[in-house]
Amino acid sequence: RKEVEQDPGPFNVPEGATVAFNCTYSNSASQSFFWYRQDCRKEPKLLMSVYSSGNEDGRFTAQLNRASQYISLLIRDSKLSDSATYLCVVYDNYGQNFVFGPGTRLSVLP
Amino acid sequence: EAEVAQSPRYKITEKSQAVAFWCDPISGHATLYWYRQILGQGPELLVQFQDESVVDDSQLPKDRFSAERLKGVDSTLKIQPAELGDSAMYLCASSLSAGSYNSPLHFGNGTRLTVT
Repeated sequence: RKEVEQDPGPFNVPEGATVAFNCTYSNSASQSFFWYRQDCRKEPKLLMSVYSSGNEDGRFTAQLNRASQYISLLIRDSKLSDSATYLCVVYDNYGQNFVFGPGTRLSVLP
Repeated sequence: EAEVAQSPRYKITEKSQAVAFWCDPISGHATLYWYRQILGQGPELLVQFQDESVVDDSQLPKDRFSAERLKGVDSTLKIQPAELGDSAMYLCASSLSAGSYNSPLHFGNGTRLTVT
C-alpha cells in the first residue's frame, strides 16, 4: 500500500461547480498535512496547510480526519484557472520527510 | 517573495554523459530536498539535507547519482552517466525547518532533463 493515495482522476467539471478531492495516508503518526497545486510542467506550489480543526481560504476548504486518516479539499465555484493537478502531501515525522501523493488532475470546462 | 533558484531550466543530454543541476534555497532555510518527478506522478524524494549533512539518501541511485551541499547553502545534484530512464523533472525544495506547519516546502522552477 502506498503511503499517500489520492482520487485517481481526472475530474472534468463545468465552471461554477463544486468539486472535492480525497487523500488517505497510511502513517498514523503523521502530524502535518498540505495541499499543493501543480500546473502542467511547472513546480508544485503550496495551496494550503491542513489543520486539525479544518480551515478555509476563500473558495477552498481543507479538512482532516485523523481517525480515518484522510484529508479532503473542497473547491467551490470552480474557475477555469483552477485547472491543475492537486497534490496531497503528508509530513512523515518518523522519516522526517514530506511524502507526496500521485496527484489528482482537475479540468474546469467553460 | 523569496524564491528557490534552480538552474538550468532545461537540459538535453546524451546517455552516458554527465549532467549537473544547481539549487540555491531560500535564505535561512536549513533543510534542502531534491525530488524527481516523472510525468503523471507525484515527486519522489532523492535526497534531503539538513544544513550540510545528508539526512536521507535512501532513494538516491548512488551508483550514478551524487549530491552535495558543502557549505550548507546551495546544492548540486549530479548524474554520471545519464541513462534514458533519468528523463524527468528534477525539483529542488527548501524549508525553514523540517516539517512543521510553519515551514512547508518551497519549490524551485525545476530542471527538465531529457536524455537521448
